[in-house]
Amino acid sequence: SAVISQKPSRDICQRGTSLTIQCQVDSQVTMMFWYRQQPGQSLTLIATANQGSEATYESGFVIDKFPISRPNLTFSTLTVSNMSPEDSSIYLCSVPTLAANEQFFGPGTRLTVL
Amino acid sequence: DAKTTQPPSMDCAEGRAANLPCNHSTISGNEYVYWYRQIHSQGPQYIIHGLKNNETNEMASLIITEDRKSSTLILPHATLRDTAVYYCIVSPNQAGTALIFGKGTTLSVSS
Repeated sequence: SAVISQKPSRDICQRGTSLTIQCQVDSQVTMMFWYRQQPGQSLTLIATANQGSEATYESGFVIDKFPISRPNLTFSTLTVSNMSPEDSSIYLCSVPTLAANEQFFGPGTRLTVL
Repeated sequence: DAKTTQPPSMDCAEGRAANLPCNHSTISGNEYVYWYRQIHSQGPQYIIHGLKNNETNEMASLIITEDRKSSTLILPHATLRDTAVYYCIVSPNQAGTALIFGKGTTLSVSS
């Protein structure tokens, strides 16, 4: 299993500003995923972050808006840039296990943009 | 897009079995059926997965039809703590494949 922590757990931000969300894993993992969960909705994959390479973004998400860093095998950050109220969501990171494609999810960061 | 269809909501009495259906008629031969649940304000939690045989673990049982076009997650004795959104996901059993979530079923367990 993997223990994942995220910081901050929640934040309230003004439109036009940026917020960086941190994801820390208690073990080394090659791949990490970032998801967004808008209010009342399901999870949507934002991007896949591999250590040592550029993140791969899903359709509808771009690096300028959601830059991702992956400096080592236990840590990643997601920045939500130039925020608008539509960015109000829960942002979650997850990591896969080596077997069975089971994934572990962080507790999420609840972002409110005013 | 998600390849599964689930009822938006279900109710269950505490202590009774909760049977959550899922349709995945376009599932491919190499895709497994995974179930996750998300309790309010928490990250999703893995429950169980299977390819074609029925599976059981300490949390639940998974029944997959012979044609693999549908499945049922069974919580044998639902408790109030099982109230959550349950997601049925089909995905290749390849480590590192991202999960694509559908809308899920909101299960409400009441006393």
